[in-house]
Amino acid sequence: QSALTQPASVSGSPGQSITISCTGTSSDVGGYNYVSWYQQHPGKAPKLMIYDVSNRPSGVSNRFSGSKSGNTASLTISGLQAEDEADYYCSSYTSSSSYVFGTGTKVTVL
Amino acid sequence: LQLQESGPGLVKPSETLSLTCTVSGGSISSSSFYWGWIRQPPGKDLEWIGSIYYDGSTYYNPSLKSRVTMSVETSKNHFSLKLTSVTAADTAVYYCATEPSGGSYRLDYWGQGTLVTVSS
Repeated sequence: QSALTQPASVSGSPGQSITISCTGTSSDVGGYNYVSWYQQHPGKAPKLMIYDVSNRPSGVSNRFSGSKSGNTASLTISGLQAEDEADYYCSSYTSSSSYVFGTGTKVTVL
Repeated sequence: LQLQESGPGLVKPSETLSLTCTVSGGSISSSSFYWGWIRQPPGKDLEWIGSIYYDGSTYYNPSLKSRVTMSVETSKNHFSLKLTSVTAADTAVYYCATEPSGGSYRLDYWGQGTLVTVSS
């Protein structure tokens, strides 16, 4: 199972919106509505930010939103804040009854 | 729900890596969760290893399946990971996490992670 493809880095100024893409195949992203997104600050464990493509867990800011079209999922962060600077990983359930993660995107707040 | 990984920080090549994840604030016998393991080599990406249900049923990453065994110890409220025949490529921070047992596939709660280095 190959890793999902994400851009290596995305940057934006405070207050702006950014979007991170996550491209897979019909065996993972395109085949299931089980895409999730995780935020990871340096030296910390990942934190679930979005699940089932577009659902936010309790306590996660509504500045984070998710969507999917075909084999590509996206995470949008609106009203970018300094605390959003972190690595972001997508993940999908797969036809092999497993999870596959993305290659990770470093978000920089300028 | 809180999870805490524990185990040796150093394992020799060809030996078996053994880790435990202790659950607090909930029961490992709960039918609401699967219990999973994920790893992250230093500076690299996340890799899902596998998950186990309280009844012992498992599902593993196909690429690691031949070397992985997971188990649940209900009396101690913990679950375990064994990875055999380790090499330097298995050096990573190992995380345990929960996933809901029905209707969704996601990793909700994560432990803080423990670094395991494979070296002689």
